[in-house]
Formats: sequence, C-alpha cells, structure tokens
Amino acid sequence: GEDVEQSLFLSVREGDSSVINCTYTDSSSTYLYWYKQEPGAGLQLLTYIFSNMDMKQDQRLTVLLNKKDKHLSLRIADTQTGDSAIYFCAETGGMDGGYQKVTFGTGTKLQVIP
Amino acid sequence: GAVVSQHPSWVICKSGTSVKIECRSLDFQATTMFWYRQFPKQSLMLMATSNEGSKATYEQGVEKDKFLINHASLTLSTLTVTSAHPEDSSFYICSARDMQKPWGATYNEQFFGPGTRLTVL
Repeated sequence: GEDVEQSLFLSVREGDSSVINCTYTDSSSTYLYWYKQEPGAGLQLLTYIFSNMDMKQDQRLTVLLNKKDKHLSLRIADTQTGDSAIYFCAETGGMDGGYQKVTFGTGTKLQVIP
Repeated sequence: GAVVSQHPSWVICKSGTSVKIECRSLDFQATTMFWYRQFPKQSLMLMATSNEGSKATYEQGVEKDKFLINHASLTLSTLTVTSAHPEDSSFYICSARDMQKPWGATYNEQFFGPGTRLTVL
C-alpha cells in the first residue's frame, strides 16, 4: 500500500524558519496536504497542493513539491510558539472503490523554543 | 463553517462494556464520514468509511463486529466499540466530507472532529 514518511521531531527557535519534510510512495497522488494537530485536538488543514504544482505559498507557509523524488516539504517562516504542534503530511491518490482514501504520514512534532 | 463535533471528548469504561462515540457535521451535510484511530505518537489509521444509508467499508484488519459503525443521517455517524478491552484504548477521530462538493471538483477536503479519547480499564 501507499506509504508516507516523516521525521518524528523538529526543534527550532522562535523567529527562525521551520522546514518539515515528507516522502511518499504513491505515484498516482493527486492532492497532498499538510495538517496541524494541537494537543488533544483533531486535525486542522493548513494547506494543500495539487500534484501538478511545484510550489504553493500561503502567508507564512510555503509548500514545495518534487514529484520526481516524491518529496513534499512545508516551510513555516518566522516560526512562533503557537506553531508548536504535530504536523501531518497526507496524500490522496486515485479512486478506490468509489472514493479517495487519504494516507497520513507519521507526523512531525514541532517544538518552538522561545 | 464546516464544523465537525464528537461526543464524548473523553470516556473511561470498564473492560467488557460497549462505548458509543458520535460524530456530527454541524453546519453541512456529509454523505461520507471517516473513522480514524490514532495511537500515541503515531499516525492516523483509517478504520472505516461510512456512507449515509449504507454499510460501512472497513479497512483490512479492522474487525467490523468489534467496531460497529452506523451512518443513519447526513449529519450523524456513530462508532460503537463493543466489548471494549484495554488494547482498544486510543484516540478516535472522525472526519466528514461536504456533500455539496463532488469528489473531483475540489481538493477532497475532509473536516475533522476534535477526537474522542477512550480509556478502557
């Protein structure tokens, strides 16, 4: 089946940029997502990118997609303490039984040091 | 808009009892709801896909007699953990799709509930 991998932990200082990386195996991925999960809470969609795009920028967030290498990254500029959370990379590929399944990565815990 | 709620947010039960978790889409109609399970420090694992008015589709390895899913209306899906055991302790998260948005026309957005923490003693 499809596999999505992320590093488990990242620590940065407040004000620095954070880069969270993700690799995936599904060559038929159509959409790729970044979700944020704060402690004890559900997932919040931060941003997404369509597979025919290389880059997407949304305020402090920049998503880079290297489809050839199946590598996705999320850059957070001017990281704040409120950005501390677990970030999940996810992808959805072709239709499977009439609906599209989303495969989540293992999650990267971002710790922002004041 | 697009708010999904779950109830309860935290439940503790004795081994052998059954627990029902509700997932509601508050301001939209959802033909499809998904149930996930998340272990500590691990990713979300899709358990089943629930379509309104039909039987749920379970992922491989998920016992459908153990995890009963009912999606009786366009705004409510329930997950019942039957004869719960300590190994069923986990964080259960549901998500829902807005039926106004067809599959191919958008980025397949799912709206997630806040999760339910189940502890089985």
